[in-house]
Amino acid sequence: SQKIEQNSEALNIQEGKTATLTCNYTNYSPAYLQWYRQDPGRGPVFLLLIRENEKEKRKERLKVTFDTTLKQSLFHITASQPADSATYLCALDMGRRALTFGSGTRLQVQP
Amino acid sequence: SAVISQKPSRDICQRGTSLTIQCQVDSQVTMMFWYRQQPGQSLTLIATANQGSEATYESGFVIDKFPISRPNLTFSTLTVSNMSPEDSSIYLCSGGTGRQETQYFGPGTRLLVL
Repeated sequence: SQKIEQNSEALNIQEGKTATLTCNYTNYSPAYLQWYRQDPGRGPVFLLLIRENEKEKRKERLKVTFDTTLKQSLFHITASQPADSATYLCALDMGRRALTFGSGTRLQVQP
Repeated sequence: SAVISQKPSRDICQRGTSLTIQCQVDSQVTMMFWYRQQPGQSLTLIATANQGSEATYESGFVIDKFPISRPNLTFSTLTVSNMSPEDSSIYLCSGGTGRQETQYFGPGTRLLVL
């Protein structure tokens, strides 16, 4: 069956370091992969979209890579700040009517 | 982009009753969706709200339990019917301009069923 896997364990890093989050998927070849941020008690907020023919995309301190051979996306936050602390969700189309979301990885940036 | 609002933001309901959640978008969107999110879990798609026709439900969700309306391109409602404690969850509305394009989410409705 189709599956999206994100590290369920929280990621704790020091302020100023680079956070790297992983999204792996199986049994499908999506045309897009997206990353969202979710704060407690709020709905997810769109961050970046990367297409299957793009290897990398950047937006300010954010960078996403998409390896369709490995079926993996990496999400990087450089020069991390305590305000970056949140849960980060990857999402992709799995041939269904809407996006399928991973379970998310909680990032905690320590000052 | 689109800004999405939901009402109510939270509610506590008794078993056996029903609650209708409203979702308003500030601009026209092609697609509207309803999700459920258990604490600490990911989003589970309930259904796609179709304008002027019956919603398209995902496996495990039925119209009798979760009737959905979408009378126009900017408004939708989800009703949680005959509630039980297992329905306690966060219900999220989202909108997008394409099937797999960016989705914009409302703040969610936090429901507790006693």
